[in-house]
Amino acid sequence: QKEVEQNSGPLSVPEGAIASLNCTYSDRGSQSFFWYRQYSGKSPELIMSIYSNGDKEDGRFTAQLNKASQYVSLLIRDSQPSDSATYLCAVSLSSASKIIFGSGTRLSIRP
Amino acid sequence: DAGVTQSPTHLIKTRGQQVTLRCSPISGHKSVSWYQQVLGQGPQFIFQYYEKEERGRGNFPDRFSARQFPNYSSELNVNALLLGDSALYLCASSSPGVSTDTQYFGPGTRLTVL
Repeated sequence: QKEVEQNSGPLSVPEGAIASLNCTYSDRGSQSFFWYRQYSGKSPELIMSIYSNGDKEDGRFTAQLNKASQYVSLLIRDSQPSDSATYLCAVSLSSASKIIFGSGTRLSIRP
Repeated sequence: DAGVTQSPTHLIKTRGQQVTLRCSPISGHKSVSWYQQVLGQGPQFIFQYYEKEERGRGNFPDRFSARQFPNYSSELNVNALLLGDSALYLCASSSPGVSTDTQYFGPGTRLTVL
């Protein structure tokens, strides 16, 4: 089992709709969770960090964390073509000083 | 404030050569991490340094080494390059005091091994 798993996509969503991106992780003791956006040929850019169960909202983005289910998600409301990118889920391990990334979900917003 | 900077931007080497990549963290950040990202995959953790000491190491061979300097900048060295080392090498810095806090990435160094 991979430490951090994401559906690779591509996920195609119409402009203005809600995009839902999901991530599961295997380390039950993980405490810190991150979502990054990566445009083709560029480096990852932090969107959200979340540490507690529940929802965390920042503008059009909402991160959701459920530690019991070992599940973290990212919702993007009012999707725009500029949101088309690969979204990386990252989890810090409880047993070591490192952050593990999923392989990313490719999101495409169609006009 | 300047973000994380990396040099060079692009690099072409041949098999068997050695390469050194450089990174300067965000001002005030004391932790630097290195990642390797191959096409279609997420970044893979290589090293983390905090206050000039190695705090974490990923599953990479001993050909990969790194160090952090008193000014918190860092170098990643890769010896005896293989074709499979071709990748985007990312450096990330994080806030002082917590070794696995939010990480901010530099633009990366694209390494091509021929």
